[in-house]
Amino acid sequence: AQRVTQPEKLLSVFKGAPVELKCNYSYSGSPELFWYVQYSRQRLQLLLRHISRESIKGFTADLNKGETSFHLKKPFAQEEDSAMYYCALLSSGNTGKLIFGQGTTLQVKP
Amino acid sequence: KAGVTQTPRYLIKTRGQQVTLSCSPISGHRSVSWYQQTPGQGLQFLFEYFSETQRNKGNFPGRFSGRQFSNSRSEMNVSTLELGDSALYLCASSLTPGQGYEKLFFGSGTQLSVL
Repeated sequence: AQRVTQPEKLLSVFKGAPVELKCNYSYSGSPELFWYVQYSRQRLQLLLRHISRESIKGFTADLNKGETSFHLKKPFAQEEDSAMYYCALLSSGNTGKLIFGQGTTLQVKP
Repeated sequence: KAGVTQTPRYLIKTRGQQVTLSCSPISGHRSVSWYQQTPGQGLQFLFEYFSETQRNKGNFPGRFSGRQFSNSRSEMNVSTLELGDSALYLCASSLTPGQGYEKLFFGSGTQLSVL
């Protein structure tokens, strides 16, 4: 079964501290993974895609096929990073269906 | 370029009623998908449309249906509403479906409350 697991509902850190939002997936084959972010009162928006290996707003995510993980990291958290973060997996079969994790709320304290 | 537009923003219905939600994709986008967002279940895929055809459907009962028009606008309908249908319904559009490099652009959603 294709599944995405985000084990933490809430992650609370202080400003300037490193952040790691965990994401594990279950998928046969080569997965396409994404991180989406939803800031307060804003739309859900794409943060980054593993396929492009980009860094957005200081966040990076590396696909680890051995551990079936796609953790989101940032070395120094900022207060404006506070938001809900969703890890998502593109379903197989040439569809646009995304399978989302339950989401992790990141709270960055001053 | 205007973003994905969903109407109405809020809806209050009672059990047993039916409801229709509308989604206008970004101009030029031909693929529209719908998601249900609840605090308990998170984001769950409802269905996906491309060129007026439903390409994929999630695990929702037949009370949930949708369609796409020739201008790519989409509607979803929920009949015989239940309390558990209360949720934020999100629409997302992309140029074409199934391409990993394509971004999905989400609307602000329609908040449905069933009383």
